[in-house]
Amino acid sequence: NAGVMQNPRHLVRRRGQEARLRCSPMKGHSHVYWYRQLPEEGLKFMVYLQKENIIDESGMPKERFSAEFPKEGPSILRIQQVVRGDSAAYFCASSPGWNPEAFFGQGTRLTVV
Amino acid sequence: AQKVTQAQTEISVVEKEDVTLDCVYETRDTTYYLFWYKQPPSGELVFLIRRNSFDEQNEISGRYSWNFQKSTSSFNFTITASQVVDSAVYFCALSQDAGGTSYGKLTFGQGTILTVHP
Repeated sequence: NAGVMQNPRHLVRRRGQEARLRCSPMKGHSHVYWYRQLPEEGLKFMVYLQKENIIDESGMPKERFSAEFPKEGPSILRIQQVVRGDSAAYFCASSPGWNPEAFFGQGTRLTVV
Repeated sequence: AQKVTQAQTEISVVEKEDVTLDCVYETRDTTYYLFWYKQPPSGELVFLIRRNSFDEQNEISGRYSWNFQKSTSSFNFTITASQVVDSAVYFCALSQDAGGTSYGKLTFGQGTILTVHP
């Protein structure tokens, strides 16, 4: 799972700023999943993307959150106008396709001050 | 809706003890996959095992073993002769099968914090 690269590992933002979290999937993987882990909780699914397509965004908050996975480059999870409640660990996972194997990155820990 | 329950919030054992982490799941799918992940203090998620719903054979990997019982919807994880390095949060997870389109979408349990004391 070291092949899924997330950056930054730690991100501090002031309330109202934007946060951009990046995820580069493992080589050959075209499917990306984002999860959020709030303090002392399990991971919750946010969004599932393929290249240039959002497949399932049922776990995304309705406002301020967006995700993309362009043809070239990493997947981006974008949080606009961050609030303290957005402080969490955000994990990205990738898989090669219609496949239940999902390998996780090391996560980005977002702190909103 | 899918659900994963890890009823044990925290477990504390002394080194060399055996410990079992419970996982009970709910799903309407006939095809599904079950996972265990380890999250050490450093925070990353380490994949431990994946089982599919058609394979109820128990599995052993070194000091780790898994007991999958479809009749009770349980997928329990046992660590034999625990070590301090086993201290971590352990998550059980379930992936759904929506016609083959959402295999990677996981539903996680709340996690069990395991502390192994020397």
